[in-house]
Amino acid sequence: EVQLVESGEDLIQPGGSLRLSCAASGFTFSSYEMNWVRQAPGKGLEWISYISTSGTTIYYADSVKGRFTISRDNTNNSLYLQMNSLRAEDTAVYYCARKRGQLRANWYFDLWGRGTLVTVSS
Amino acid sequence: DIQMTQSPSSLSASVGDRVTITCRASQGISTWLAWYQQKPEKAPKSLIYAASSLQSGVPSRFSGSGSGTDFTLTISSLQPEDFATYYCQQYNSYPFSFGQGTKLEIK
Repeated sequence: EVQLVESGEDLIQPGGSLRLSCAASGFTFSSYEMNWVRQAPGKGLEWISYISTSGTTIYYADSVKGRFTISRDNTNNSLYLQMNSLRAEDTAVYYCARKRGQLRANWYFDLWGRGTLVTVSS
Repeated sequence: DIQMTQSPSSLSASVGDRVTITCRASQGISTWLAWYQQKPEKAPKSLIYAASSLQSGVPSRFSGSGSGTDFTLTISSLQPEDFATYYCQQYNSYPFSFGQGTKLEIK
């Protein structure tokens, strides 16, 4: 089955760190560009990070730049998000999402994980 | 950065109704726009890409149109399973951005 499964759900104090993982299966992970998207409780979707297939090109939203680090391990079909200096406003469900393809029309996200909840609170 | 604005924020409709949701980009994005459906406690699901192309497996009652800055998502005849929140997303350039969502509720 083609799927993405996030893990790393936790309750973290402000200023703390957490690493999220996203396990891919059922497709050739190394061929796909990947993203992280988050959703605060009761709010909309916010794109936060992108990584190319090789990991050499990376983008971040301003809201997480300098605090979060995206990475991937193509050997183990996994995507990661290292989150440091966490703030209350980082509380959200975090989704990993696959970019469909390299053709211009296919830059949207065609496969999403179920999400993992990160709660930042003292 | 490109800002995406959806309207309305919420909408009440009945089964069988035709509904239209609009999305406006703060600058031209050609047809690099996607629509997603999200149900409570579930991940978003892609419906439309490239403004008007239907994702495989999505019912034909869903359609999209537009280019440049103005886009629409139309559901031709609402079904009970369509009551959800809908988001547009521009993928013209990073940072990719989403609209604030339109919650479609049963009247």
